[in-house]
Amino acid sequence: AQSVTQPDIHITVSEGASLELRCNYSYGATPYLFWYVQSPGQGLQLLLKYFSGDTLVQGIKGFEAEFKRSQSSFNLRKPSVHWSDAAEYFCAVGAGSGGSYIPTFGRGTSLIVHP
Amino acid sequence: NAGVTQTPKFRILKIGQSMTLQCTQDMNHNYMYWYRQDPGMGLKLIYYSVGAGITDKGEVPNGYNVSRSTTEDFPLRLELAAPSQTSVYFCASSETGTVFTDTQYFGPGTRLTVL
Repeated sequence: AQSVTQPDIHITVSEGASLELRCNYSYGATPYLFWYVQSPGQGLQLLLKYFSGDTLVQGIKGFEAEFKRSQSSFNLRKPSVHWSDAAEYFCAVGAGSGGSYIPTFGRGTSLIVHP
Repeated sequence: NAGVTQTPKFRILKIGQSMTLQCTQDMNHNYMYWYRQDPGMGLKLIYYSVGAGITDKGEVPNGYNVSRSTTEDFPLRLELAAPSQTSVYFCASSETGTVFTDTQYFGPGTRLTVL
């Protein structure tokens, strides 16, 4: 069975600083990987996903993530954080075949942005 | 285009009561999902549907029932509420259920407390 680990429960950064959120997965085959953002009181919104090809994936809101098979990681990055990026971030891995998938979510990382 | 809507937003139930969480999407999506999110945890899949009349269990289906009589609606039924079902419930939909072209769209959630 697949699993996802987000080792950081909280991350605090200053506005304008760079950001990296960690995600490690466990899955036997090539995984489908996702990052979602959840603003307070809202549902989840997809930031980006990886399923094949280029291991550096660009997403919305200036985010990117890099798939590293050797490290079983899919870390999310942003070069300069804005106060509006404060939210909960979830990494997910999808198991399936032929493109079909059922996602398993990590427990989330809460991003706090200081002015 | 309202996307995915959920009602109610909040509900308090007594142990043993029953209720239905409503979910409607207006995007003509085939796939619909119910997740629960416990405090400090990621989302866990309860049930999903690949089209009208077809439903399947997710990771945590016990204590819940679903039906899918139309493309638009995917209600979640709690028959005998228990404190362990205190959670935030999210409904989501997607067009194809495949990672290559798909995005899951989430509703705003229903916060349920069972006392």
